[in-house]
Amino acid sequence: DAGITQSPRHKVTETGTPVTLRCHQTENHRYMYWYRQDPGHGLRLIHYSYGVKDTDKGEVSDGYSVSRSKTEDFLLTLESATSSQTSVYFCAIKSSGGVSYNEQFFGPGTRLTVL
Amino acid sequence: QKEVEQNSGPLSVPEGAIASLNCTYSDRGSQSFFWYRQYSGKSPELIMFIYSNGDKEDGRFTAQLNKASQYVSLLIRDSQPSDSATYLCAVKGNNRLAFGKGNQVVVIP
Repeated sequence: DAGITQSPRHKVTETGTPVTLRCHQTENHRYMYWYRQDPGHGLRLIHYSYGVKDTDKGEVSDGYSVSRSKTEDFLLTLESATSSQTSVYFCAIKSSGGVSYNEQFFGPGTRLTVL
Repeated sequence: QKEVEQNSGPLSVPEGAIASLNCTYSDRGSQSFFWYRQYSGKSPELIMFIYSNGDKEDGRFTAQLNKASQYVSLLIRDSQPSDSATYLCAVKGNNRLAFGKGNQVVVIP
């Protein structure tokens, strides 16, 4: 599992409330990613980080913000959740060094439902 | 044109047969290509990566890359019921991966 955990694993919230999802990794990887997965759309990149305090937008970043104050943690925040943000959210890391230098490995996912 | 396309619908194959999945991509400069397997309700799992033209074999899986034609394929030999899953093609560009929508494979015992 590449040492990646996500919390919470499941969450139900109401429209307009703030939500923060956490991704934690134990192997000191520089690159971390947040994706969402929806039927008919596949995996889409929300934001990614290439180091502490270094982040950039992906293809579906509107309505989301991220923070990375420590190498091991990458937080995804929905400032005011909407029903369109109901999805499964995956965190991923990019391996570095050795045989694996480009591959991404995924965490277990968070299922978020916005009512 | 979407960056990564997997156009085939669900694929049903008899146990022991070969499953063949195809993926095309639009960025001619792409250099790294990946296949992920995703079981229902689980996260994507990397099963193959390929960087050079030609074939790469790993157990019952073979990835094939043709950069001139901009396609990458995955063959699953001697398909088993445990291979029933959705297979995602991914192409690397600009520090990120672009994913296809996936192809569902159903292996029929």
